[in-house]
Amino acid sequence: NAGVTQTPKFQVLKTGQSMTLQCAQDMNHEYMSWYRQDPGMGLRLIHYSVGAGITDQGEVPNGYNVSRSTTEDFPLRLLSAAPSQTSVYFCASSYSRGLGYGYTFGSGTRLTVV
Amino acid sequence: EDKVVQSPLSLVVHEGDTVTLNCSYEVTNFRSLLWYKQEKKAPTFLFMLTSSGIEKKSGRLSSILDKKELFSILNITATQTGDSAIYLCAVEENNDMRFGAGTRLTVKP
Repeated sequence: NAGVTQTPKFQVLKTGQSMTLQCAQDMNHEYMSWYRQDPGMGLRLIHYSVGAGITDQGEVPNGYNVSRSTTEDFPLRLLSAAPSQTSVYFCASSYSRGLGYGYTFGSGTRLTVV
Repeated sequence: EDKVVQSPLSLVVHEGDTVTLNCSYEVTNFRSLLWYKQEKKAPTFLFMLTSSGIEKKSGRLSSILDKKELFSILNITATQTGDSAIYLCAVEENNDMRFGAGTRLTVKP
């Protein structure tokens, strides 16, 4: 099925642990991004990529790293997890950025840091 | 500072009611405004609006954009329990898409 696939769906981490959230899309979208969703705050952009080899920071990038070695994959790395990173994370992709194509979202990863 | 503000934050109605959700925005380089519906998981796309005054319609849902007054509304007529969800407004700029906090709609039988 075409779309955006995120893994894992749920994760519990201890403070200080690191992990990678996986995101893959099979729609040949150039633009991919990571958002976090917290109650009352909507979706906030963490990092985005406009194509393989190109990434940039969004609104809340601290504590996260990304890379884009292929068009299909855009993993998000938590370097040293903190309780403030407890959130629901969404990966999204689009044919292009800023041209009104809208985004396709993955089903989300619910992360709890204890 | 660029921002997208939705109101109300939550709304409880009964089946058959009509609701209007609001989204106002202040962004530097507006390209489009999008509405999404979020149930249990990922947001799903409803409408994209780029021009003022042109209503987009899909079944019982409709939306319109006012680029002069910088707002959009999403109308849902004859609401059903299946309309219960968080409705997200997002404004697309040159660099990213900025989301509002959402309106949580609950439709009671």
